[in-house]
Amino acid sequence: AAGVIQSPRHLIKEKRETATLKCYPIPRHDTVYWYQQGPGQDPQFLISFYEKMQSDKGSIPDRFSAQQFSDYHSELNMSSLELGDSALYFCASSSTGLAGYEQYFGPGTRLTVT
Amino acid sequence: GENVEQHPSTLSVQEGDSAVIKCTYSDSASNYFPWYKQELGKRPQLIIDIRSNVGEKKDQRIAVTLNKTAKHFSLHITETQPEDSAVYFCAATQTGNTPLVFGKGTRLSVIA
Repeated sequence: AAGVIQSPRHLIKEKRETATLKCYPIPRHDTVYWYQQGPGQDPQFLISFYEKMQSDKGSIPDRFSAQQFSDYHSELNMSSLELGDSALYFCASSSTGLAGYEQYFGPGTRLTVT
Repeated sequence: GENVEQHPSTLSVQEGDSAVIKCTYSDSASNYFPWYKQELGKRPQLIIDIRSNVGEKKDQRIAVTLNKTAKHFSLHITETQPEDSAVYFCAATQTGNTPLVFGKGTRLSVIA
């Protein structure tokens, strides 16, 4: 079965640079979520989109922005990177249809800021 | 907003024994409670979930119970195996397209 796809899998950036993370949800899933997971921590919700419209906003810094495109893929744009942005970034998707509430996570993008 | 507390933070069991992880939540509007297993550097993997209209759900060696009145839910793993060793996260949310609020995680070690 198709899963959530994320790219790139690894990214190394320097402070003050920008980064773009991409997510391709499971086909026919209508909701995409972005989570940030620091070392030894639980995933923290950043932002989500339902049918290409922003639906919920969590602890996303103002330096970050995201959008969902007409083909349902989503991008997380991160600017003025800081050392503290080093983390695993997961995208998840779900369907509000009959299948219900399950959120399936992609493999993640490991961002290292030096 | 929702707050999820998870205990214990670490758990060590002998192979073949049972493991129990407990979570409490604060928002009575939460209706969906999934459990994820995460191995080091990997994605969280959904292992079992329960909705508020159900008190217990079982899938082979794992089971989840929910007490809505007390706002707590638990994960039970029986006949533990070394490959069960991982970090387990509980989570809570309201509906099918609202974000998950996670507990802090439990590091389970199964000793052969």
